Amino acid sequence: AQSVTQLGSHVSVSEGALVLLRCNYSSSVPPYLFWYVQYPNQGLQLLLKYTTGATLVKGINGFEAEFKKSETSFHLTKPSAHMSDAAEYFCAVSILTGGGNKLTFGTGTQLKVEL
Amino acid sequence: DAMVIQNPRYQVTQFGKPVTLSCSQTLNHNVMYWYQQKSSQAPKLLFHYYDKDFNNEADTPDNFQSRRPNTSFCFLDIRSPGLGDAAMYLCATSRDPISSYEQYFGPGTRLTVT
Repeated sequence: AQSVTQLGSHVSVSEGALVLLRCNYSSSVPPYLFWYVQYPNQGLQLLLKYTTGATLVKGINGFEAEFKKSETSFHLTKPSAHMSDAAEYFCAVSILTGGGNKLTFGTGTQLKVEL
Repeated sequence: DAMVIQNPRYQVTQFGKPVTLSCSQTLNHNVMYWYQQKSSQAPKLLFHYYDKDFNNEADTPDNFQSRRPNTSFCFLDIRSPGLGDAAMYLCATSRDPISSYEQYFGPGTRLTVT
């Protein structure tokens, strides 16, 4: 069975500092991995995804993530945090079933950006 | 713009009073999902439709039902809401499981049960 672990339910950074949100996965087959962002009282917005090919994936808003099979990790980074990045971030792994693809989410990381 | 739309954004219902939440999509996607998200938790999949085929999660209570009358619309019916059903309900779509794996989410409906 697939699962996702996000280390750190709350992360706080200063504006302009590096953002690093950690995600480790468990999967019996090659995984498809995603990062979603959720602002208060909003749905989830896709930041980036890894399916196959290049292991360094660039997404929206300056975020990127690197798939490391040996470490079973898919950490999300951004070189310089902005106040508008404050939100909740979910890592997810996709599995294919007979009835469609299903996402299994991590428990989320709340990012706080301070002046 | 193609999108996933949920109505209403906020819904208040009374304990035990049936309520229906609505989702529509202009993406023409084959798969539609309903998630329940309680405060400070990850979204939890309730069920999904692949075209007309309904797929229920094993731990989804019988109190929750769904209908998909056509490709564009999907409804979530809660037959007898309890206080524990207060949550954000998220609708999502995906094109098909072969060519696309990401899901596109609507803005959610926040359900309050009084």
